[in-house]
Amino acid sequence: DAGVIQSPRHEVTEMGQEVTLRCKPISGHNSLFWYRQTMMRGLELLIYFNNNVPIDDSGMPEDRFSAKMPNASFSTLKIQPSEPRDSAVYFCASDDRGKAFFGQGTRLTVV
Amino acid sequence: GENVEQHPSTLSVQEGDSAVIKCTYSDSASNYFPWYKQELGKRPQLIIDIRSNVGEKKDQRIAVTLNKTAKHFSLHITETQPEDSAVYFCAAGEGGSQGNLIFGKGTKLSVKP
Repeated sequence: DAGVIQSPRHEVTEMGQEVTLRCKPISGHNSLFWYRQTMMRGLELLIYFNNNVPIDDSGMPEDRFSAKMPNASFSTLKIQPSEPRDSAVYFCASDDRGKAFFGQGTRLTVV
Repeated sequence: GENVEQHPSTLSVQEGDSAVIKCTYSDSASNYFPWYKQELGKRPQLIIDIRSNVGEKKDQRIAVTLNKTAKHFSLHITETQPEDSAVYFCAAGEGGSQGNLIFGKGTKLSVKP
């Protein structure tokens, strides 16, 4: 298994543009998490899904952020419109009996 | 919801010394406590975990202890080596496939040769 796969690895975009981050979890894992990492705030849980259903999205900072999981093998995190303060590393993780396995992350820079 | 506090935020030790990182949690329903190591520019990786039915777990030079009554758990690294230098995160959650993990803010460990 290739592990959790995220794309793109790096994204540079202009303020106001829409950004879509993608994640393919490990096959067979029932839960998927989106985290954001910054120096100031550390690793923040944004949202998590269980069996493709969003369970807790209380960490999503604003309505500009949305996440979907249309099937067990794919999830997206969308930011529209993006702002410079959204610049961070976004990690996707999938869960096996409580053990979270992280993807490589997407480094997002909004200029 | 769960809140995890982690201390210290930075820790510098001499090679060969021990390092201890401490975390507290707030939700008594949490029963799963993993520790992750994140090297610069890389993803967090699980290094050890403990469930609430166990008070201590050891894996070579690393060990984790858990005090459920006091709601705190600690990571102990003995005989530290330069390659132990990284950011370490504790987390707490309900475990299982329906739980989520809330992370501490991280501890940057530097091991000086």
